[in-house]
Amino acid sequence: AQKITQTQPGMFVQEKEAVTLDCTYDTSDPSYGLFWYKQPSSGEMIFLIYQGSYDQQNATEGRYSLNFQKARKSANLVISASQLGDSAMYFCAMREGLYNNNDMRFGAGTRLTVKP
Amino acid sequence: DVKVTQSSRYLVKRTGEKVFLECVQDMDHENMFWYRQDPGLGLRLIYFSYDVKMKEKGDIPEGYSVSREKKERFSLILESASTNQTSMYLCASSLGSEQFFGPGTRLTVL
Repeated sequence: AQKITQTQPGMFVQEKEAVTLDCTYDTSDPSYGLFWYKQPSSGEMIFLIYQGSYDQQNATEGRYSLNFQKARKSANLVISASQLGDSAMYFCAMREGLYNNNDMRFGAGTRLTVKP
Repeated sequence: DVKVTQSSRYLVKRTGEKVFLECVQDMDHENMFWYRQDPGLGLRLIYFSYDVKMKEKGDIPEGYSVSREKKERFSLILESASTNQTSMYLCASSLGSEQFFGPGTRLTVL
């Protein structure tokens, strides 16, 4: 069964506007971590932001914030003030359990294009 | 800075060949992972390892094996490459929450 769902294969946003990339997840484990990665056309995976299931506050890292809605099992990425360099593939991922050696599951990704 | 390197950026092999993809990390991480990335499917976990000589199957282990003889090196082996294994292969390592990725190997099997 799909554990991470990203329903938007592609998104467009105007430069300087905010954009939300959707991610829903499925787990019965009360302990889990949620991650967002960016993959530019060069291919490297760049870690953006992390949210733990017990974290009370939504995670923020600069222009990135994670809109964590635990009851709805959603972990949407919000990028504020989009820049041309934000054009990339974005992947949502989840690691279940407490241990860092547990494996991670990724969504299918969303391709974001920022228009000038 | 954590560095994860992969032996080749691009590789072309023939059907039936044995293929080795090498991954090395320089930060003494215990956990290492191999994924393949295909359009519309995201990253799918093939195998992972949480210690030397330890390995665990991921979601799609069929047709692959792995080797972890040293902590810093995690090899992915295609015993007999097939055309449906044409893909981008990504290696990652982790100690804490975050996984650090290598640049990827784009493998084409003809």
